[in-house]
Amino acid sequence: NAGVTQTPKFRILKIGQSMTLQCAQDMNHNYMYWYRQDPGMGLKLIYYSVGAGITDKGEVPNGYNVSRSTTEDFPLRLELAAPSQTSVYFCASSILEFPHPTNEKLFFGSGTQLSVL
Amino acid sequence: DQQVKQNSPSLSVQEGRISILNCDYTNSMFDYFLWYKKYPAEGPTFLISISSIKDKNEDGRFTVFLNKSAKHLSLHIVPSQPGDSAVYFCAASFMTTDSWGKLQFGAGTQVVVTP
Repeated sequence: NAGVTQTPKFRILKIGQSMTLQCAQDMNHNYMYWYRQDPGMGLKLIYYSVGAGITDKGEVPNGYNVSRSTTEDFPLRLELAAPSQTSVYFCASSILEFPHPTNEKLFFGSGTQLSVL
Repeated sequence: DQQVKQNSPSLSVQEGRISILNCDYTNSMFDYFLWYKKYPAEGPTFLISISSIKDKNEDGRFTVFLNKSAKHLSLHIVPSQPGDSAVYFCAASFMTTDSWGKLQFGAGTQVVVTP
């Protein structure tokens, strides 16, 4: 089972360059998320999506864009890379369960280590 | 402004002994708490959770304790095993569909279990 797949695993960008971090899940989950983890800090939510065509901002959305054209894919776009975006990026997915929703069923990808120099 | 804090960045414990990881939070409205475990080059994986209506939850060697008045929770691992060497993240959230998956994470505690 592939689960949540992120590519690339590592990337170095120059200031002002752009790139797209790819995320795909094969579990038919409706919810998908992008988190970033800075050194010595906890993960922070960048963007999330509750289904194809629906996205919304998280805690730290500035400098990023997302799209969700299919259930499986949730790419994260950096338009003008800045040193402050040096971080490890994690994509996650989950499925909302009723009648007692809990937050434990987040499935994370293995992360993308991004350095902006 | 970090709402979930893990003040110990690292913990070293002998195999077979108890590991105690601590976590404090500032938002009294949080009503659901989780611990995630992370190995190098992997994403976090869910370990154990507790809702605010409980003060203890056990799952095998892992027990989470919640003290709401102190806004404090702890994770106990007994006995500690070498495979428990990992980074442990404390996270908090609200048990509503609007908050689904939107977790506030602590900075993590690196646990090293020595033989």
